Amino acid sequence: AQSVSQHNHHVILSEAASLELGCNYSYGGTVNLFWYVQYPGQHLQLLLKYFSGDPLVKGIKGFEAEFIKSKFSFNLRKPSVQWSDTAEYFCAVTSNTGGFKTIFGAGTRLFVKA
Amino acid sequence: DTAVSQTPKYLVTQMGNDKSIKCEQNLGHDTMYWYKQDSKKFLKIMFSYNNKELIINETVPNRFSPKSPDKAHLNLHINSLELGDSAVYFCASSPSTSGTRVYEQYFGPGTRLTVT
Repeated sequence: AQSVSQHNHHVILSEAASLELGCNYSYGGTVNLFWYVQYPGQHLQLLLKYFSGDPLVKGIKGFEAEFIKSKFSFNLRKPSVQWSDTAEYFCAVTSNTGGFKTIFGAGTRLFVKA
Repeated sequence: DTAVSQTPKYLVTQMGNDKSIKCEQNLGHDTMYWYKQDSKKFLKIMFSYNNKELIINETVPNRFSPKSPDKAHLNLHINSLELGDSAVYFCASSPSTSGTRVYEQYFGPGTRLTVT
């Protein structure tokens, strides 16, 4: 069955620390990969996406993610987090063979200490 | 100039009641979705419509019925509400499948449903 795994459910960091959130997927065929962010009390917003080409994609607010096909991974990174990055982060995967259905990971709650 | 809007934002109701949540998008997208986010923040697709046609219908109780009067609107009607229906319901939309904008979704602000 198709699935998306986010390894860290809760992450606590101090400001200026580096961030890496893991995401692995189980999906056949060509995939489209996304990271969404949900700030406290707000709706989900797209951080970045990967469809094809350069496997290192850059998104908003200094976030980037690397698609490693051999590892079925799409980890999110940020070199230096800020207090305002405190949020829930969701990895999501859509397959070109899966119609319009997107599978979301369980989310990682990031808390950045000021 | 809200892209995806939902009403109401909060909905508190008693078990057994019937309620509706409305969603509208002004992005010109062809595809709309309903998601349920439970208390643990897990997001699960419920339904999706493409140009008013139902294309995704996940395993949800048939008390839930989506309706799409036009491609800019997707409403969710819930009959005989149960305690377990308490959650945040998100509407989303995405462009038609062309170029690199396949499946990128824009979410509404959510409707927090509390069933007592």
